[in-house]
Amino acid sequence: GAVVSQHPSRVICKSGTSVKIECRSLDFQATTMFWYRQFPKQSLMLMATSNEGSKATYEQGVEKDKFLINHASLTLSTLTVTSAHPEDSSFYICSALTGTGGNGYTFGSGTRLTVV
Amino acid sequence: GESVGLHLPTLSVQEGDNSIINCAYSNSASDYFIWYKQESGKGPQFIIDIRSNMDKRQGQRVTVLLNKTVKHLSLQIAATQPGDSAVYFCADTRTGGTSYGKLTFGQGTILTVHP
Repeated sequence: GAVVSQHPSRVICKSGTSVKIECRSLDFQATTMFWYRQFPKQSLMLMATSNEGSKATYEQGVEKDKFLINHASLTLSTLTVTSAHPEDSSFYICSALTGTGGNGYTFGSGTRLTVV
Repeated sequence: GESVGLHLPTLSVQEGDNSIINCAYSNSASDYFIWYKQESGKGPQFIIDIRSNMDKRQGQRVTVLLNKTVKHLSLQIAATQPGDSAVYFCADTRTGGTSYGKLTFGQGTILTVHP
């Protein structure tokens, strides 16, 4: 089946630096990628939707200048957390839209970001 | 300051028992309702889904019930096993409109299965 490879799985960075998270679709083309954030013991919250070749659409309350999303190819979408702060520490998960219906999503394995 | 989030509800069962996990949703226009299992440090794993025009669907050891009148979704796991221990999330989505493809996740429930 479809696989989304997400890297890195864990990253620790210093406050004020930027971190890039990559999601690659293996053996399929991901036209649409969703990016979620999950704080400890909480649910997944949608941050933005990216479509290949166009600007990402951000959910209300998500700073587009802080969370830069690039989807320049059909197999790669990236999320860059710029000027990271400790409150950005979270679990970030991507999900490719791979079909219709409830089983039409392929999730990455997530990235644990810790900002110190 | 530090944000305070909601703590996930928990369900603790003995191995072999049946488990029932509940979820409330808000969007009456959703077309699909989905249950996911999430293990620590991993992405969500699809379990089962149900279309909005159905009220029950069965899979292997799992059954999903949908009550649109009260906007309630449940997941029943038969003969629960220690490997079922995880966090379970419900989610819903639409297949059309401006929200196409977006998943809205519920609060989640921590299931712990004791041997």
